Amino acid sequence: AQRVTQPEKLLSVFKGAPVELKCNYSYSGSPELFWYVQYSRQRLQLLLRHISRESIKGFTADLNKGETSFHLKKPFAQEEDSAMYYCALRPYTDKLIFGTGTRLQVFP
Amino acid sequence: DAGITQSPRHKVTETGTPVTLRCHQTENHRYMYWYRQDPGHGLRLIHYSYGVKDTDKGEVSDGYSVSRSKTEDFLLTLESATSSQTSVYFCAISGKDNQPQHFGDGTRLSIL
Repeated sequence: AQRVTQPEKLLSVFKGAPVELKCNYSYSGSPELFWYVQYSRQRLQLLLRHISRESIKGFTADLNKGETSFHLKKPFAQEEDSAMYYCALRPYTDKLIFGTGTRLQVFP
Repeated sequence: DAGITQSPRHKVTETGTPVTLRCHQTENHRYMYWYRQDPGHGLRLIHYSYGVKDTDKGEVSDGYSVSRSKTEDFLLTLESATSSQTSVYFCAISGKDNQPQHFGDGTRLSIL
């Protein structure tokens, strides 16, 4: 079955600390993976897409097919990074499967 | 931001009443989706559409129906609302097959 697992409901760090939000997926085919971010009570915004291999707001994510992971990383967290982060898998061209999300809290 | 408007933004209603949520897009995108967002569950797909009058069920479709009579509008209907349908509902759109989905601002629905 296709599934996305985000094992941490909450991740708390201090400003300037490194951040890693974990995402593991199960899918037998060639995956397409995304990270979405949702700031307080706002719409979900696309943060990263694995095929673009770019860095947005200092965040990066590398697809590791051996470990079936797509962890989101940032070397130095900022207070404005506090938000809900969702990892999503697109097994077919028209559907997304979301993880349950991780809330990132960055303390000053 | 993608041109997606959800209405209403907030609604409180009683169990057993019908409710219709509207998603309107100005992007002329082919695909439209309805999700519900609940704590501990993330976002779950309710129904989606891949063209006018072409719709299909998602993961949590029971108790919901949809209609798409025009490219720009995708309606989600709760025929007889239940308290378990209290949630935040998000609409999303995407164009070509390989494009990411973009989301609306959400509708907060409370069923008492």
